[in-house]
Order: sequence, then C-alpha cells, then structure tokens
Amino acid sequence: ILNVEQSPQSLHVQEGDSTNFTCSFPSSNFYALHWYRWETAKSPEALFVMTLNGDEKKKGRISATLNTKEGYSYLYIKGSQPEDSATYLCAFMLDSWGKLQFGSGTQVVVTP
Amino acid sequence: DTEVTQTPKHLVMGMTNKKSLKCEQHMGHRAMYWYKQKAKKPPELMFVYSYEKLSINESVPSRFSPECPNSSLLNLHLHALQPEDSALYLCASSQWRGQGNTEAFFGQGTRLTVV
Repeated sequence: ILNVEQSPQSLHVQEGDSTNFTCSFPSSNFYALHWYRWETAKSPEALFVMTLNGDEKKKGRISATLNTKEGYSYLYIKGSQPEDSATYLCAFMLDSWGKLQFGSGTQVVVTP
Repeated sequence: DTEVTQTPKHLVMGMTNKKSLKCEQHMGHRAMYWYKQKAKKPPELMFVYSYEKLSINESVPSRFSPECPNSSLLNLHLHALQPEDSALYLCASSQWRGQGNTEAFFGQGTRLTVV
C-alpha cells in the first residue's frame, strides 16, 4: 500500500475566503492523480484527473496543480461558498487497471 | 445518464444470512469497481472488473463474491459476514482506455451493518 496523504484533515473557512490544501503521493510510477468532492449523503464526484507534471486544471472557482517530480498536488477554492462544504479526496492511480489509492480527505466547512 | 445506481441504500444482515448488493450503470463503461469504506478511513479497492471479467481481487475474503452478469451490472454477493465487515460499500465505473487515467463515477453506496 502506497502512502497518499492529505493535509489538513479539516478546514473551517469563512464564506468569500479562499483556501487550499495538499495531497502528497509517491513520485515514482505515476499514472494519474484524481480529485473528488464528496458531499454528505451523495456520491463522490470527480473534479479533476491530472496526468502531466505541471498540469493546472480549473472548474469554476476550484483549481488544482500537479507536481509529479516532488509528489504533490494542491487544490484551491477561490471565494468559498457554503455549497463548497464537502470532503475533498485525492486518489493516486496505481496502474493502468484504474486502481485508486485514496487519501483520507480534507473536510472543508464553509460558514456564512 | 451519468449515474451509478446502487441498491439497497441500507442493509442490515445477520452473520448467517446471504444477501447481495447491486450496482448498475448505463454509460457504456467497461470497467467497474467495488470499494469498501470504514468510518473515517479512505475508500479501499476490493475488486476491478474490465469487460465483464474479474481483473483484480485485492485479497478479499471469499465471503465476498463479486459477479458481473453483463456490461451494465455489478453484484456483490455476501455470505457469512462478520461484524467487522460493516462499512459503506461503493460501486464505481469508468471508461476503459487502457491507460487507466479516466475519472471514476461513483454510486451513493450501500451502508451495510452486520449484526
């Protein structure tokens, strides 16, 4: 089992503030790095699939960067809204079969 | 339709029972997965099916028996489970492009309690 670590474990953010958090993963044998958003009582929803070193992806107010050489990815939320409250999971793709090794997640709570 | 549907949403079963979890997708995905998530832990992969064939079994005990009857359906048959098997069971599917770098679509999960 490879170590995929996320920090911090949880974040409390005021509405309107921006925030970011980290996923670190093994820097060898890289296939892809996934980000998922998981709201309570819903399905995990894919945000980004990142494959290339230096990748930057954006979806609305959420963006992510990838550094495969040093083994980390950042997720940024700009101008947080209450609907951004969720657990954000990163997942390291272990092989071409699609095996995902998940981090423990960062729980984000946005308060009005 | 970008949904993965899992039934039932909740299941309570005794240690001598036999039950099945069902998962369905109509996105034409040829890779399907079962994950298990214990409280406050990340999801852990159990099985991978590609083109209806079992590709990966992550050393899961035989009391869990997966089945993929066709390209849209994935079942997980449960028999003689233990209380420590209580968890959220998630099904997922993805397109198969050989590189494995496509997003997974998840169901809402089945919350299983073994008594």
